[in-house]
Amino acid sequence: AQTVTQSQPEMSVQEAETVTLSCTYDTSESNYYLFWYKQPPSRQMILVIRQEAYKQQNATENRFSVNFQKAAKSFSLKISDSQLGDTAMYFCAFMKPGSQGAQKLVFGQGTRLTINP
Amino acid sequence: GAVVSQHPSRVICKSGTSVKIECRSLDFQATTMFWYRQFPKQSLMLMATSNEGSKATYEQGVEKDKFLINHASLTLSTLTVTSAHPEDSSFYICSACSLAGNTIYFGEGSWLTVV
Repeated sequence: AQTVTQSQPEMSVQEAETVTLSCTYDTSESNYYLFWYKQPPSRQMILVIRQEAYKQQNATENRFSVNFQKAAKSFSLKISDSQLGDTAMYFCAFMKPGSQGAQKLVFGQGTRLTINP
Repeated sequence: GAVVSQHPSRVICKSGTSVKIECRSLDFQATTMFWYRQFPKQSLMLMATSNEGSKATYEQGVEKDKFLINHASLTLSTLTVTSAHPEDSSFYICSACSLAGNTIYFGEGSWLTVV
C-alpha cells in the first residue's frame, strides 16, 4: 500500500519569503500522480499543482513549483514570494492511475502554513 | 475547469434523525465519486468509493449501514447519515475524478452538526 508522509506539522514564514514544504512517499508503482492541495480556513480543497511520475521536468504553476525526486520518492513544494493568502493547510497526495474507481487519493498528514505580515 | 458542487454546506440535525448530503459533478460525468471525512486538524479520511449504478465500496471500519451511499446518475452521488449521533458531527467532503483520469476535484464540503 502507498503511504505519504509530511514531516512538518507546522511552518511559519514572513510575507514575500520563500518556503518549502516536504513530502515523501512510498510505492512500488512506476507510474503515478502526485499532488499538492491547499485547504484554507474555508475547508475547500484547492488543487495547487500536479506532477506525473513519468515526467522528469518539475511542474510549476506561477509562484508554486515542485522538486520531484523519483528515486528518492520525494515531492517538495516551493512557494516563492509568499502571500498572506497562502496561509492554509497543505496536503501532499498520491494517486495511482487507472480506470475510474481506481483513483483513490492517499493523503499525507498535512502541513499548516502561516504567512505572517 | 471541472467543478464539483456539494450541498448543503452546513446542516444541523437532531440525534436519531437522518441527513442527506449531495455531491454533483457540474460539467462532467463521473462514474466514480469519493466520500471523505475530516476530523479537526487532521487529514482527509476516505470513507467510501461511490460507483454509478452499483454498490459503494467502503473502507475498513466504516459502517455501511450508517453511511448510505447512492450513485444513481453520472453526475450525482449522495451520502445519507442514518440515525445520526453527536459523534457523527464532522466535515464531510466529496470528490470526483476528471474525465482524463489524472486529477481529482473536490466539492466545497459539508459541516454536519448533530445535536
